[in-house]
Amino acid sequence: GQNIDQPTEMTATEGAIVQINCTYQTSGFNGLFWYQQHAGEAPTFLSYNVLDGLEEKGRFSSFLSRSKGYSYLLLKELQMKDSASYLCVAGDSNYQLIWGAGTKLIIKP
Amino acid sequence: GAVVSQHPSRVICKSGTSVKIECRSLDFQATTMFWYRQFPKQSLMLMATSNEGSKATYEQGVEKDKFLINHASLTLSTLTVTSAHPEDSSFYICSARAGDRDYEQYFGPGTRLTVT
Repeated sequence: GQNIDQPTEMTATEGAIVQINCTYQTSGFNGLFWYQQHAGEAPTFLSYNVLDGLEEKGRFSSFLSRSKGYSYLLLKELQMKDSASYLCVAGDSNYQLIWGAGTKLIIKP
Repeated sequence: GAVVSQHPSRVICKSGTSVKIECRSLDFQATTMFWYRQFPKQSLMLMATSNEGSKATYEQGVEKDKFLINHASLTLSTLTVTSAHPEDSSFYICSARAGDRDYEQYFGPGTRLTVT
């Protein structure tokens, strides 16, 4: 079956670094997305990885290992506004998106 | 960047009535639009996929006669919740995709539906 696993909740301190892990199982694979979703709002796109390795975009970086079915989202210099849910999403061979349940990130001062 | 709008942002309706939600791609043509539903503290659940000019493809467990989807143009899709019940209260989000392989989806802001 198709499945996404990510932690339900994480807590980090303002200014610190946090890594949100995700493992996935899909029928075929066409890339791994990370979305940010603030409470009561629609998701916003953060990153897309289709090749192995690290993609850096400002304070956010995303890593993919296709052989391990593993990705992580790395957030640096955490700010209070980063408190949100982070959704790991995998694309399958039919270009359908398989959504994880999301990791709620709580940032403390 | 690509912008998708949804209207209304919030709607309260009485049980048994129907509600229409519009999703528009403002600065691009959306060959495919998606409708999602999200219950509190849960992930997005895909309801249906619609391609312009053809019938929508519904996910398993989603009643096509209850959730009517129309994708009449490349910039507009509508979702009509017919005979709404309190259990239909949810956050409905649409997204749009420009091409077949460009599946970075652009999300609308969502519509909060409350059925009393």
